[in-house]
Amino acid sequence: QSVLTQPPSASGTPGQRVTISCSGHSSNIGSNTVNWYQQLPGMAPKLLIYGNTQRPSGVPDRFSGSKSGTSASLAISGLQSEDEADYYCAAGDDSLNGPVVFGGGTKLTVL
Amino acid sequence: QVQLQESGPGLVKPSQTLSLTCTVSGGSINGGSYYWTWIRQPAGKGLEWIGRTYISGRTSYHPSLKDRVTIALDTSKNQFSLKLKSVTAADTAVYFCARDRGWFGDPNIYYGIDVWGQGTMVTVSS
Repeated sequence: QSVLTQPPSASGTPGQRVTISCSGHSSNIGSNTVNWYQQLPGMAPKLLIYGNTQRPSGVPDRFSGSKSGTSASLAISGLQSEDEADYYCAAGDDSLNGPVVFGGGTKLTVL
Repeated sequence: QVQLQESGPGLVKPSQTLSLTCTVSGGSINGGSYYWTWIRQPAGKGLEWIGRTYISGRTSYHPSLKDRVTIALDTSKNQFSLKLKSVTAADTAVYFCARDRGWFGDPNIYYGIDVWGQGTMVTVSS
């Protein structure tokens, strides 16, 4: 049971915009910034978004993040086939859950 | 750029100790403010944060694992390690070592895990 809650799956067609949600609590998302990771099949995760909205160098601006209260979202616009992957949210946590907590992951399928 | 590589046995017997090493290349484990971190992922499941260590020697562990886990730095070898004792089948997973930028910089921003190893599969079985 993950501390942060994500939908298990999402889907979209090429060119579409999709969003993935991440729900938490006051001890994590409510008081810390959120990161998003992309994990392609068989690969290690890759940092997509940090600090709620910031993209590391090299991440296309098709990927964007937002946060409101104890929830966060990842949006992918202009969906491409290579975006098919698992996406994880993560945040710091100020409770007994440990300093870093993850969501359970969302499998994105490009139809 | 900094790269991380996990190494260690791929098969561990139940009740024994899982031991993995992460070798850091392309940069010094002493250079900069980072948390050196272990994360695992059971097959078909999500990511689980195991714990981290800092150059000061300070460590933090997942509450459910803290009685069994030890993470340590070896600066002379530019490596850090994971030891998980009394393993069971539930500890079977891909184990990733990683570099976490933490909150170093703007303390209001968690900068996240920016470098990952490729992961190593560890199976607990007799």
